[in-house]
Amino acid sequence: GNSVTQMEGPVTLSEEAFLTINCTYTATGYPSLFWYVQYPGEGLQLLLKATKADDKGSNKGFEATYRKETTSFHLEKGSVQVSDSAVYFCALSDQTGANSKLTFGKGITLSVRP
Amino acid sequence: GAVVSQHPSRVICKSGTSVKIECRSLDFQATTMFWYRQFPKKSLMLMATSNEGSKATYEQGVEKDKFLINHASLTLSTLTVTSAHPEDSSFYICSGRRQGTDTQYFGPGTRLTVL
Repeated sequence: GNSVTQMEGPVTLSEEAFLTINCTYTATGYPSLFWYVQYPGEGLQLLLKATKADDKGSNKGFEATYRKETTSFHLEKGSVQVSDSAVYFCALSDQTGANSKLTFGKGITLSVRP
Repeated sequence: GAVVSQHPSRVICKSGTSVKIECRSLDFQATTMFWYRQFPKKSLMLMATSNEGSKATYEQGVEKDKFLINHASLTLSTLTVTSAHPEDSSFYICSGRRQGTDTQYFGPGTRLTVL
């Protein structure tokens, strides 16, 4: 079956530090890959996505590249801000259209200190 | 755009009672809605998928008679936890998706505590 593995957290960084959050997956076929973010008190929001190998998703300074050879989709940001403090979820969808469903990783809490 | 709300945000009930949670898409038509359950320090677990006007499709291991899902309109889905027990205490999250797209928009979740 499908699965998503995220690195263990929580992660605490100082403002302007470099961020990497690891994500690897197991799936049949060619999944689409997603990063969702959940800010305190809010619902999950789509941060970025990539639909095929070597695609790079980017948004708000965050980037992740779909690496088929290593089955990974690591999230990076060059300089984090306090406002990036949130829970980050990696997810995959192994189908498109009406039958698509998401499989999530456990999520990781990021805290950024001023 | 693409805002999903849930009501209530938290609820406490006695064991044996039923609780209804509403999920609304406020500014789009959600032809498909999903219900998830989240345990502490664990990933979101998909419970069921519902398409407007159709019966929900439940994931393996989820009791359909216990977790009743109704998706009567393009903007509203409800989850009713029947005869709730303490082990049903959890964080329940819904999401909606427009027809023809693969992006889900999530609600803020409902914290259910069964005493």
